Parts: sequence; C-alpha cells; structure tokens
Amino acid sequence: EDQVTQSPEALRLQEGESSSLNCSYTVSGLRGLFWYRQDPGKGPEFLFTLYSAGEEKEKERLKATLTKKESFLHITAPKPEDSATYLCAVQARGFQKLVFGTGTRLLVSP
Amino acid sequence: SQTIHQWPATLVQPVGSPLSLECTVEGTSNPNLYWYRQAAGRGLQLLFYSVGIGQISSEVPQNLSASRPQDRQFILSSKKLLLSDSGFYLCAWTSRGGGYGYTFGSGTRLTVV
Repeated sequence: EDQVTQSPEALRLQEGESSSLNCSYTVSGLRGLFWYRQDPGKGPEFLFTLYSAGEEKEKERLKATLTKKESFLHITAPKPEDSATYLCAVQARGFQKLVFGTGTRLLVSP
Repeated sequence: SQTIHQWPATLVQPVGSPLSLECTVEGTSNPNLYWYRQAAGRGLQLLFYSVGIGQISSEVPQNLSASRPQDRQFILSSKKLLLSDSGFYLCAWTSRGGGYGYTFGSGTRLTVV
C-alpha cells in the first residue's frame, strides 16, 4: 500500500531561520511526488511536481528535492507569509489518485 | 485559463438530512475529477474520482455517492448524513492522463449537527 509520512507535524521558525520539511514515501512505482501549500480554510495550492530521484525545483524561498525514499522542502530565510500547512503527496504509475501525508504546519514568527 | 468552482463554502446540516455539493470546472475539456475529504488532524482522503461522464470510482465505502452528469460537473451527495460525515470537502481536477498534479477548489466546510 502506498504511504506518505511527513515530519515534523509542526514547526515554528523565526523570520529568516532556514529549515527543511521531510516527506518519506513508499510507492509501487513512482509517477510523481507533489508538494502543496494549504492556508487555513482553503484548498491546497500546487507548488511542485518531482518525477525522478535527483530532481530539484525552486520557487522563491522554497526548494524541493527528491530521493528514492524521501523528499525535502527546504525553506530559505522564511517570512511570516510562508506560514501554512505544507502537504506532500505521491502518485503511483497506472493510478489516478494522489496519496497525501498529514502535512507539516509551519509558523514563521516576525 | 482553467478555474474550478465549488459551493457552498460552508454548510451546517442536521443528522439524517440529505447533502448535495457541486463542483464545476471551466476552461478545459475531459478533465479527471476528484472528491477528497479532509478531517481534522488527518490527511486528505480520496472519496471518488471520475474519468468521464457517468464514470465514477469509489475509494471508500460509506453513505456518500458521486455523480458526473456533465463533462465538467461533479456532484457529491448523501441521502442521510451522519455525524462522521463532518469535514472539509475538496473537489479537484487534473488533465486527462494526470501526472501533473491536481488543482483544488476552495472547499466546503460541512458540519453535521
């Protein structure tokens, strides 16, 4: 069964304090790994798709990396507006659905 | 550009009442459509997905049902709500073939009382 585990559950950072969020996964043939940002009371917002080990993608202060067993979302010099829940999901080859982790709640204090 | 609409935003319903949540997508044809539920402290759980009109796949046995009467319309229904049906319901779409991530709607917060 495909599984996604995210850690930590919650993370509190000071503005400018860089850190990383972890997403460990098991999947029967990875088609894609996805990162989303979710603000309270809203739908998840797509950030990145990674398809193969070694791939990296960047967007502003965020950088996502992928290995065969896990993905990291690196946040460099975060700002308070980066506060949100970050969700990781995997899609197996031949399947339509995404399997989501429970997310990491990030709070960045000024 | 493509947009997804989901309504209502919030809903409070008594136990045993019916439910109908609607989702529509604009700016694309033949999308794959999905209903997810997000309970407090839990990940998103896939409820139903559809790859075409009238084609519904159910992931979780429960008292909910889904229908796709038109290409870009997806409806989530229940004849009699349970307390355990409370949660945040999200509609999503992806292009045929998938693999490019979902685009989610803004969600419906359902509270069954």
